Amino acid sequence: KNEVEQSPQNLTAQEGEFITINCSYSVGISALHWLQQHPGGGIVSLFMLSSGKKKHGRLIATINIQEKHSSLHITASHPRDSAVYICAGVKTSYDKVIFGPGTSLSVIP
Amino acid sequence: DGGITQSPKYLFRKEGQNVTLSCEQNLNHDAMYWYRQDPGQGLRLIYYSQIVNDFQKGDIAEGYSVSREKKESFPLTVTSAQKNPTAFYLCASYRGSGYTFGSGTRLTVV
Repeated sequence: KNEVEQSPQNLTAQEGEFITINCSYSVGISALHWLQQHPGGGIVSLFMLSSGKKKHGRLIATINIQEKHSSLHITASHPRDSAVYICAGVKTSYDKVIFGPGTSLSVIP
Repeated sequence: DGGITQSPKYLFRKEGQNVTLSCEQNLNHDAMYWYRQDPGQGLRLIYYSQIVNDFQKGDIAEGYSVSREKKESFPLTVTSAQKNPTAFYLCASYRGSGYTFGSGTRLTVV
């Protein structure tokens, strides 16, 4: 079992839809990053969370430490949101970040 | 603003040549990391360094070398021994407040 798992693996949505991407992680991970990678592009860091909820524009990230689960929500989705979204868990001993496999999102006009 | 600079964004090399990828940070972070991403796959750890003049192998270190002569810099050399060097390479740094990620370098070996 991977230490950081994401679902769904692939997601297609219509423009304007509310989108949720899920991340579950194992014991020993103290914080989570959400990253965005456009096709052929670089990595953009969206959020780092160790508790609660963060919001930036149309993006909202939440984390439930007891359930070891985090979600990334996109409101009023737009084709420019099409990208791979990666959840990355920070180990308590900071010698490792464990990356999830990514969720490929495609938003259709 | 502080951050990590990876350059260049795209890099092309001929097979059999060594190539060095640059990673510079001005965040005063102690730890730095290199990851590799293959198409359709997750990021995997190549090397990391927690202090100057010290570094450790990650999960896929074969065919790579690094140095950490300065706190700000952690260059990665992809040697000719790396059998499949074409990939996306990501640098990151860490201090107690969290990780910072570079934007990555996409290396293509032809």
